[in-house]
Amino acid sequence: EVQLVQSGAEVKRPGESLKISCKGSGYTFTNYWIVWVRQMPGKGLESMGIIYPGDSDTRYNPSFQGQVTISADKSITTAYLHWSSLKASDTAMYYCARWSRQFDYWGQGTLVTVSS
Amino acid sequence: QSVLTQPPSASGTPGQTVTISCSGRSSNIGGNTVNWCQQLPGTAPKLLIYNDYQRPSGVPDRFSGSKSGTSASLAISGLQSEDEADYYCATWDDSLKGPVFGTGTKVTVL
Repeated sequence: EVQLVQSGAEVKRPGESLKISCKGSGYTFTNYWIVWVRQMPGKGLESMGIIYPGDSDTRYNPSFQGQVTISADKSITTAYLHWSSLKASDTAMYYCARWSRQFDYWGQGTLVTVSS
Repeated sequence: QSVLTQPPSASGTPGQTVTISCSGRSSNIGGNTVNWCQQLPGTAPKLLIYNDYQRPSGVPDRFSGSKSGTSASLAISGLQSEDEADYYCATWDDSLKGPVFGTGTKVTVL
C-alpha cells in the first residue's frame, strides 16, 4: 500500500528555522516526483515545488523560489521542506503528494503555525 | 497565484447535475492531461479523476471528466450530500516546468 506520512504539527516563532518531512512507503521512492503543496487558512492549493528523489532534480514555483528549500534522502525514502527563517505568513497546512501526471497519493498534512 | 481558473462556487439539490469548469492555456491544459482532486472539509485532498476522464478504483461513476482544447470540466451527476467539498483541477505546466492547480470550486448541496 502506497503511503506518504508527514511529520507532526509545528508551532514556531518568526525568524526560527524549520524542516518538515514526508516519508514514502509501499512503492519505489526514487521513481516518482514528490510535490509540496501549501494551503493557507481558508484558501486554495498552491504547488510550491517538486523533487525527483532518484536524482534530486528540484524545481520551484517562482512564487516560492528562495523562500523554501526542498530536498530528499532516498536512503530513508523521505522528502523535506525547509525554511531558514519563518514568517507569520508561512502559517498554513502543508501537504506532500506523489506526482505521476496526477496527484495520486497525498500525505495527511502538516500544520505549521508561526506566531510571536 | 493559480494559472488555472475555476468558478469559486457551484451548487445543486440532491439528484441534480453540477458541472465545474477549469480554464487554462496551451502550456498547461492544452498539452497535458488534467486531473481533479476532491477535498472534503478538514481532510487532505484525494484524487478523483486522472488522464482527463479516468476514475481511480473506488470513485463512483457519478463523477466524470472531460477536456476540450485549453479547458476541462468535472461533472457530478446524482448529487449527494457527501459531495459537499472543494474541487481542484490540476495539470503540468510546460512553461513553469511543474504541476499547477486551479483556483478551486466549493460545491454546496442545497
